[in-house]
Amino acid sequence: EAQVTQNPRYLITVTGKKLTVTCSQNMNHEYMSWYRQDPGLGLRQIYYSMNVEVTDKGDVPEGYKVSRKEKRNFPLILESPSPNQTSLYFCASRSPGGDEKLFFGSGTQLSVL
Amino acid sequence: SQQGEEDPQALSIQEGENATMNCSYKTSINNLQWYRQNSGRGLVHLILIRSNEREKHSGRLRVTLDTSKKSSSLLITASRAADTASYFCALRMDSSYKLIFGSGTRLLVRP
Repeated sequence: EAQVTQNPRYLITVTGKKLTVTCSQNMNHEYMSWYRQDPGLGLRQIYYSMNVEVTDKGDVPEGYKVSRKEKRNFPLILESPSPNQTSLYFCASRSPGGDEKLFFGSGTQLSVL
Repeated sequence: SQQGEEDPQALSIQEGENATMNCSYKTSINNLQWYRQNSGRGLVHLILIRSNEREKHSGRLRVTLDTSKKSSSLLITASRAADTASYFCALRMDSSYKLIFGSGTRLLVRP
């Protein structure tokens, strides 16, 4: 089954404790992206990757890092989480060509205390 | 803001009725997409309409696009309780592959 898998689904942590949210897709998509969703603000793009070893900042990249060493994986790293990073996070990959459909993971609800 | 402005923010209808939600934007677009999100889960792609298209259908969904008014509408006909979700429009600008999401319409379909 074609899917984007995110882990963990829920995460509670404390300020400053480094964490990684994993994302993996099995559709051989080149494009992957991370979003955060906050009430009233819709989805805002954090980082995206056009292909292996090619990453770029989205609209709200501060406080986040990503890496793309393999096509299927695109982890999101918070080196020193802060309470304002409490949010619902989504990873997505995009089908190629004219289809342009985004496939989303199930989300990671992060709380930073 | 470049993002789509969705209207209404919330909509409550009876099962069997039609639901219409709108998305307006400010800059020229390459395409506009609609997504559904069930209570905090991942978004699911519903339909894509390109800037040179005026109307598209997919099952009970009908999407229109008026580029002169910079607006789109999503119509769900004969709604079901299972259609209860948030619906988002997403814009792809001419100059970028990035999708910009609106803040969504929360639809409640009462059984």
